[in-house]
Amino acid sequence: EAQVTQNPRYLITVTGKKLTVTCSQNMNHEYMSWYRQDPGLGLRQIYYSMNVEVTDKGDVPEGYKVSRKEKRNFPLILESPSPNQTSLYFCASSIGQYNEQFFGPGTRLTVL
Amino acid sequence: SQQGEEDPQALSIQEGENATMNCSYKTSINNLQWYRQNSGRGLVHLILIRSNEREKHSGRLRVTLDTSKKSSSLLITASRAADTASYFCATGPYGFNKFYFGSGTKLNVKP
Repeated sequence: EAQVTQNPRYLITVTGKKLTVTCSQNMNHEYMSWYRQDPGLGLRQIYYSMNVEVTDKGDVPEGYKVSRKEKRNFPLILESPSPNQTSLYFCASSIGQYNEQFFGPGTRLTVL
Repeated sequence: SQQGEEDPQALSIQEGENATMNCSYKTSINNLQWYRQNSGRGLVHLILIRSNEREKHSGRLRVTLDTSKKSSSLLITASRAADTASYFCATGPYGFNKFYFGSGTKLNVKP
């Protein structure tokens, strides 16, 4: 089944404790993105990747890192999480940046 | 600032009525897409309309695009309670690799 998976689905952590949210897709897509969704603000792109080893900042990259060592995986790293990073995070993938995006189920992160 | 803005923010209708949502954007685009999200879940792609298209249909969905006004509308005909969800427009501006979503329209269809 074609899908985007994210783990964990829920995470409660404390300020400053490094964490990684994994994202994997099995559709051989080149374009992958991370978004955060906050009430009233819609989805905002954090980082995107055009292909392996090619990543770039979206609209709200501060406090986040990503890597794309393999085509299928695109982890989101929070080196020192802060409470303002409490949000619902989505990973998405598509064939290219102008194509239909497939979304993961989301990761609800709470930083205390 | 956001590339896409939806209007209205919330819409409540009776089952069987039509629902219309509008989206405005700011720069030239390659295409405009509409997505649906059920309460806190992942988004699902509904329809894509290219910048050289003016109207597109998919089942009960009808999308229009007016590039001169930088706006699009999504019409859901004969709505059902199962259409209750948030709807987002999304754009990929020309010459950029970023992707922008609007803030969404929350549709409530009452049975």
